[in-house]
Amino acid sequence: QKEVEQDPGPLSVPEGAIVSLNCTYSNSAFQYFMWYRQYSRKGPELLMYTYSSGNKEDGRFTAQVDKSSKYISLFIRDSQPSDSATYLCAMRLLYGGATNKLIFGTGTLLAVQP
Amino acid sequence: EAGVTQFPSHSVIEKGQTVTLRCDPISGHDNLYWYRRVMGKEIKFLLHFVKESKQDESGMPNNRFLAERTGGTYSTLKVQPAELEDSGVYFCASSQDRIAGGSYEQYFGPGTRLTVT
Repeated sequence: QKEVEQDPGPLSVPEGAIVSLNCTYSNSAFQYFMWYRQYSRKGPELLMYTYSSGNKEDGRFTAQVDKSSKYISLFIRDSQPSDSATYLCAMRLLYGGATNKLIFGTGTLLAVQP
Repeated sequence: EAGVTQFPSHSVIEKGQTVTLRCDPISGHDNLYWYRRVMGKEIKFLLHFVKESKQDESGMPNNRFLAERTGGTYSTLKVQPAELEDSGVYFCASSQDRIAGGSYEQYFGPGTRLTVT
């Protein structure tokens, strides 16, 4: 079983729609939860990160973490064609532990149609 | 400020040959990471340097892979001899030292696409 599960999509939505992207995970020791955006032929770019449970909002993006359910979400409001990319969830253990490595989901390919 | 750079952007080699990938982290970043994405799979961690020391190499697949970071600046990842299953995109990332006031963010390079035929 993978440590992080993510629906690969593809997900196609019309411009202006609300997009919901999700990941589930199995390791209850994960403390930091991140969402990366990756455009074609580029490296992943950090969008948002959250420590432990709760919500975090940044402009049109909202990240939610539910540690009791081992479930994280990224919501994109008023989606734009420029949001078309692959969205990757990533997680890591507590900083200062044995490792800083990120555990990634497979990524969800999002296409926002004009 | 320049981001993480990787060279080459694409490499095509035959099975059994040797390839060396290079990563230049963001200036001042002590932490350097290598990751790999095999087609259809998730990005997977390979190893982590703190300055010139290997902090965590638990993700290195086998002894055909050798990573170095002499002087704590750029890093190289050598694959020798290359096998077909080594094909994929190799990403390098760097981050500051948290204790020095840095953030958790790992900044990724554009990746090197390796094709072994």
